[in-house]
Amino acid sequence: EAGVTQSPTHLIKTRGQQATLRCSPISGHTSVYWYQQALGLGLQFLLWYDEGEERNRGNFPPRFSGRQFPNYSSELNVNALELEDSALYLCASSGDRESSYNEQFFGPGTRLTVL
Amino acid sequence: AQSVTQLDSQVPVFEEAPVELRCNYSSSVSVYLFWYVQYPNQGLQLLLKYLSGSTLVKGINGFEAEFNKSQTSFHLRKPSVHISDTAEYFCAVRSNDYKLSFGAGTTVTVRA
Repeated sequence: EAGVTQSPTHLIKTRGQQATLRCSPISGHTSVYWYQQALGLGLQFLLWYDEGEERNRGNFPPRFSGRQFPNYSSELNVNALELEDSALYLCASSGDRESSYNEQFFGPGTRLTVL
Repeated sequence: AQSVTQLDSQVPVFEEAPVELRCNYSSSVSVYLFWYVQYPNQGLQLLLKYLSGSTLVKGINGFEAEFNKSQTSFHLRKPSVHISDTAEYFCAVRSNDYKLSFGAGTTVTVRA
């Protein structure tokens, strides 16, 4: 069974540009979570999508946004990039509410570097 | 709101020695606790989880953790470490809104 996949592996942008990160959940999983792992700040929750809807949002500005598609894959968009957005962005997925809703499976991450 | 404190940022340990990584949490509701491991340049891998039931939880790679409700702790242990256990370890608590709150992480360095 394929795990959570993320693309691209690395992304280099300049300040003010927009970045788009993609995530494909494990087959059968309907929830996708995004986390930011920035140096010195640890792992912070960004967004949660379930069944195509945004269910929860962490303490991040509105320029961090995303969506979930009908096939449950997800996109994270970061607008007006700032230097401090440089981080590893991790995507996780979990199953439906009746099964493994408690466990989140993580992808390998996208390393975003803002110059 | 949940929070997680990992009491040690760095833990150096010799190969085949035991290791314990300490984790304390604060939560006003039922808790679901997790330990994840992150190898260099990789994502997170679940080591073990506590959802309910037995307070001693066994995970992969010989790791185990004990949930202690009175001390609000969920310490991770391994009786004998290998070089390959060198990694960063994260304790996490899941809130009722399904998001995970992570500790700051503990870097374990295993030396021969």
